[in-house]
Amino acid sequence: SSELTQDPAVSVALGQTVRITCQGDSLSSYYANWHQQKAGQAPVLVIYGRNKRPSGIPDRFSGSSSGDTTSLTISGAQAEDEADYYCNSRDSSGNHVVFGGGTKLTVL
Amino acid sequence: EVQLVQSGAEMKKPGESLKISCKGSGYKFTNYWIAWVRQMSGKGLEWMGVTYPADSDTRYSPSFQGQVTISVDKSIGTAYLQWNSLKASDSALYYCTVGYISSWSWDFWGQGTLVTVSS
Repeated sequence: SSELTQDPAVSVALGQTVRITCQGDSLSSYYANWHQQKAGQAPVLVIYGRNKRPSGIPDRFSGSSSGDTTSLTISGAQAEDEADYYCNSRDSSGNHVVFGGGTKLTVL
Repeated sequence: EVQLVQSGAEMKKPGESLKISCKGSGYKFTNYWIAWVRQMSGKGLEWMGVTYPADSDTRYSPSFQGQVTISVDKSIGTAYLQWNSLKASDSALYYCTVGYISSWSWDFWGQGTLVTVSS
C-alpha cells in the first residue's frame, strides 16, 4: 500500500489562484482524481485522469502532475470553492485506492 | 441519469450485525466498479474496498480486510456493505461510489448512510 500526502489547510484571496498538492509514490505510475467536498455534502469529482474535467465542472479547475506529485489548481477562486479537497489514486500495487488526508481550502 | 441511492440511517448496538445497501440506476450496473468509502465524523475519506459486479472481483483495503464484506445482487442492481459484529468505532458516514466516466474515477456518489453504534 502507499500513502498520499496533502497539506491540511490552504487559503486564497477571492479571485486569486491557488494550487493544492498531493504527493505519493504511486503517483509516478497512476493518475490521480480530485474530489471537492462541501460541508454536509457527498464528494464531487472535479478532476480525473490527465487533467480532465467532468461535465459541469468550471474550467477554472485544472490538474497537473510531475513525478510523484499531482496538483489541483483553481484559477480565480470563488467563494463557492471553499471546501475540502481530496486527491485519490491507485496504490503502488494497482489493486487498491488510497485517499489523501484532504486539504481544507478557505477563500478569504 | 446515473444515480446511487443508499439505504437509510442505522442505529445499532455493539456486537450486532448490519447490512447497508446502494442501488444503482441509469447505467449498466454490472459493467462498472463500485466502491465503499468511510468518513468518520470530522475526518477524511477512507477507501474500504471495491467490487466489479459482472464477476464479483472484490478487493479490500488492508485496513478493512476481514472487518467488512462487500457483495452485490446483480439481479436488482444493488451493492451491499456488511458487518457481522459492529463496534463503536464503526460509527461513521458510509458512501458508495461508482467509476462511470472512467475506470476508478469515482464520479457518482450515493447520498451516504449514517451508521451509529452505541450501547
